Amino acid sequence: DAGVTQSPTHLIKTRGQHVTLRCSPISGHKSVSWYQQVLGQGPQFIFQYYEKEERGRGNFPDRFSARQFPNYSSELNVNALLLGDSALYLCASSFERLNTEAFFGQGTRLTVV
Amino acid sequence: LAKTTQPISMDSYEGQEVNITCSHNNIATNDYITWYQQFPSQGPRFIIQGYKTKVTNEVASLFIPADRKSSTLSLPRVSLSDTAVYYCLVGGPHLYNFNKFYFGSGTKLNVKP
Repeated sequence: DAGVTQSPTHLIKTRGQHVTLRCSPISGHKSVSWYQQVLGQGPQFIFQYYEKEERGRGNFPDRFSARQFPNYSSELNVNALLLGDSALYLCASSFERLNTEAFFGQGTRLTVV
Repeated sequence: LAKTTQPISMDSYEGQEVNITCSHNNIATNDYITWYQQFPSQGPRFIIQGYKTKVTNEVASLFIPADRKSSTLSLPRVSLSDTAVYYCLVGGPHLYNFNKFYFGSGTKLNVKP
């Protein structure tokens, strides 16, 4: 069975640009969460989506947005990129909204230059 | 939100038992304690979760005292491949959290031959 898949694996963008990151959860999983991990720190929660609705949001500016599609895949969008947005972006899926175990993808390494 | 405190790093040798303690003094009644393992450039991987007393699975044990203000992850007979960052998380599956997790800085475990 395929795990959580994220695309692209690596990405280089210029300051001020826009980026879209994609996540496909494990088949049957309805909940998708997004995390940002800056080098040397633990992952920071950005969003959680369940049944295509936003269920939680971390302390991130409005430049960050996301959505979940009917097939439960998800996109994370970041506008007006800053150098500080350079990080590993992780997607995690779980079966139910209250499920305790989250399965993480390999992440997308975003570099903003 | 319950804050967690872990040692920044620990060293061990192959074949030893490793115990990593996490402090979470303001844990809420509904909070679970979850441990994740992360290798460089990979997403975190679920290790174990518990609410109280002791939980054991095929890779680790989790000890939680009655007051639940701390927890200890025990890794039996570590190998070089256990070198990773270990995160203690508090939170999880209750109505208003919708399964979002808050990671601290983690404990960098270095297993030596």
